[in-house]
Amino acid sequence: EDKVVQSPLSLVVHEGDTVTLNCSYEVTNFRSLLWYKQEKKAPTFLFMLTSSGIEKKSGRLSSILDKKELFSILNITATQTGDSAVYLCAVTISNTGNQFYFGTGTSLTVIP
Amino acid sequence: DAGVTQSPTHLIKTRGQQVTLRCSPISGHKSVSWYQQVLGQGPQFIFQYYEKEERGRGNFPDRFSARQFPNYSSELNVNALLLGDSALYLCASSERGLAGGHTQYFGPGTRLTVL
Repeated sequence: EDKVVQSPLSLVVHEGDTVTLNCSYEVTNFRSLLWYKQEKKAPTFLFMLTSSGIEKKSGRLSSILDKKELFSILNITATQTGDSAVYLCAVTISNTGNQFYFGTGTSLTVIP
Repeated sequence: DAGVTQSPTHLIKTRGQQVTLRCSPISGHKSVSWYQQVLGQGPQFIFQYYEKEERGRGNFPDRFSARQFPNYSSELNVNALLLGDSALYLCASSERGLAGGHTQYFGPGTRLTVL
């Protein structure tokens, strides 16, 4: 069965800390892995990764994919209270029909 | 440009009733996907439509159906509602189908409560 597992489930850090969120997957016909930030309702897109070892970076956030070990990490440096959210990892696959699997998410709380 | 829009924002129904949720994609996007997100869980894939054809289906019963119109907007229908259908229903659009690895942009969702 295809699955996406995120860890930790929740995390509480102080402003300025660096955090690493993990996403591992077991799927057939892997296409891409995406990271989203969900604060209230709509998840907002962060990164899409398709190739191993190539870091994607946006400000204080960065992410990398390891297709051999089947995982990705999302790093956030110098965390701010505005980073508090649920971070979702999703994997797209394609077999007889396109599928898009989300993990349960990691809830990040940044305290001042 | 407007983002993905969904209507209604909130909906309360009783068991056994039917519901229709609506979604308008970002202008120029031809693919729409629907997700169900139960509190504390990640979104679960229900359907993907591209160019008015179903291109993907998740593990949901036949009570769930959807369609996409010529203007690429979409409706999700749920028949014979159960208490367990209470969730946030998210719509997402992308330029093309998911197989191309194109990212999706989500709407604000419709919160459905079944009593």
